[in-house]
Amino acid sequence: SYELTQPPSVSVSPGQTASITCSGNELEENYACWYQQKPGQSPVLVIYQDDKRPSGIPERFSGSSSGNTATLTISGTQAMDEADYYCQTWDTNAAIFGGGTKLTVL
Amino acid sequence: EIQLVESGGDLVQPGGSLRLSCAASGFTFSNYWVSWVRQAPGKGLEWVANIEYDGSQKHYVDSVKGRFTISRDNAKNSLFLQMNSLRAEDTAVYYCARVNDYETRDYWGQGTLVTVSS
Repeated sequence: SYELTQPPSVSVSPGQTASITCSGNELEENYACWYQQKPGQSPVLVIYQDDKRPSGIPERFSGSSSGNTATLTISGTQAMDEADYYCQTWDTNAAIFGGGTKLTVL
Repeated sequence: EIQLVESGGDLVQPGGSLRLSCAASGFTFSNYWVSWVRQAPGKGLEWVANIEYDGSQKHYVDSVKGRFTISRDNAKNSLFLQMNSLRAEDTAVYYCARVNDYETRDYWGQGTLVTVSS
């Protein structure tokens, strides 16, 4: 079965840099994207094709990928960035989501 | 403005059936794959199914194969999910999402809640 592994939780102080990793074999060959989900809301795409940012997403959100690991980085983290973050890729005819990471800004 | 609006979620007994709908607007619906993704209460996102532009290709997660059917009506800019033989573990918020290049889900609906319980 397919699997993407994320840390369950990450904590960061306001203004600092948060990094969330996502590991899985499928990332060796396929792009990663990242979604932000706040409580009671639908997911929002924040990074696609490893490192591209959709219009309207703040520049403090960036992505990278190397080997079997993709990383979402939030620079100058703000309180409003507190949310669940999910990575996603795909394999043959199937989309694969990571288990999600709860980002706490404290 | 691109919008996806789901409907059809309800409380249903185990073994029952339900049909979800998703109304799309603000883009040329027939130019995109579309997808259903679900989220069980307090859990993460799970891909359920994809359907190609004209409905000729359909793909499903193993746990719903043979029970769920994804379909679309491009003339009505609508996506559907027929869910049969529902189980308690199908309880979730079901989102429809537009699929862009490289399986990126760039727009999501607000979700509709399906509860399977006796």
